[in-house]
Amino acid sequence: DADVTQTPRNRITKTGKRIMLECSQTKGHDRMYWYRQDPGLGLRLIYYSFDVKDINKGEISDGYSVSRQAQAKFSLSLESAIPNQTALYFCATSAGTGGTNEKLFFGSGTQLSVL
Amino acid sequence: DAKTTQPNSMESNEEEPVHLPCNHSTISGTDYIHWYRQLPSQGPEYVIHGLTSNVNNRMASLAIAEDRKSSTLILHRATLRDAAVYYCIRSRTTSGTYKYIFGTGTRLKVLA
Repeated sequence: DADVTQTPRNRITKTGKRIMLECSQTKGHDRMYWYRQDPGLGLRLIYYSFDVKDINKGEISDGYSVSRQAQAKFSLSLESAIPNQTALYFCATSAGTGGTNEKLFFGSGTQLSVL
Repeated sequence: DAKTTQPNSMESNEEEPVHLPCNHSTISGTDYIHWYRQLPSQGPEYVIHGLTSNVNNRMASLAIAEDRKSSTLILHRATLRDAAVYYCIRSRTTSGTYKYIFGTGTRLKVLA
């Protein structure tokens, strides 16, 4: 089983709909991250959380919100989806014990299409 | 700017060494340099990281310039399975700021 699991793998939705992407991990890591990937733009950080009570904005947080329900679960919400939020979304984790001397572990991604 | 600069694409012949460059001229003294790669249809995976000294592991070597403003990822013998997008990342150390900022990466093509 994958250590970092994202659901759903693919999602098609309509403009204005609320949508939630979920991420769960079995690695026991404190830190979790949400990135989006657009062709030609690499990965951009949306939000990150260093523990259950800690939420921080990344580079491109507008239009998104997150919830850290437990150490193992970190969900990303689009309150009112718009077409330019069509992208590949990745969740990642890190242990939280080594500062920036840490490895990130990524899920397989969620492809979101907003029509 | 926290992002690094990499060439958009590179090609290599199979079984030959590959040197992937990265510029991080604004790096601060305690920022680590990380490399990740993304195979087709997968999430990024860790390759290697370092601070000041050159680093080796089973996947690759990382050569860091003495002034730390640039680094090079070295794949000693490229295989077809190494075809991927390689990301060079500097990690921030300031509390409260974001970390692990990815750039656009280098797409490596390996020729048989």
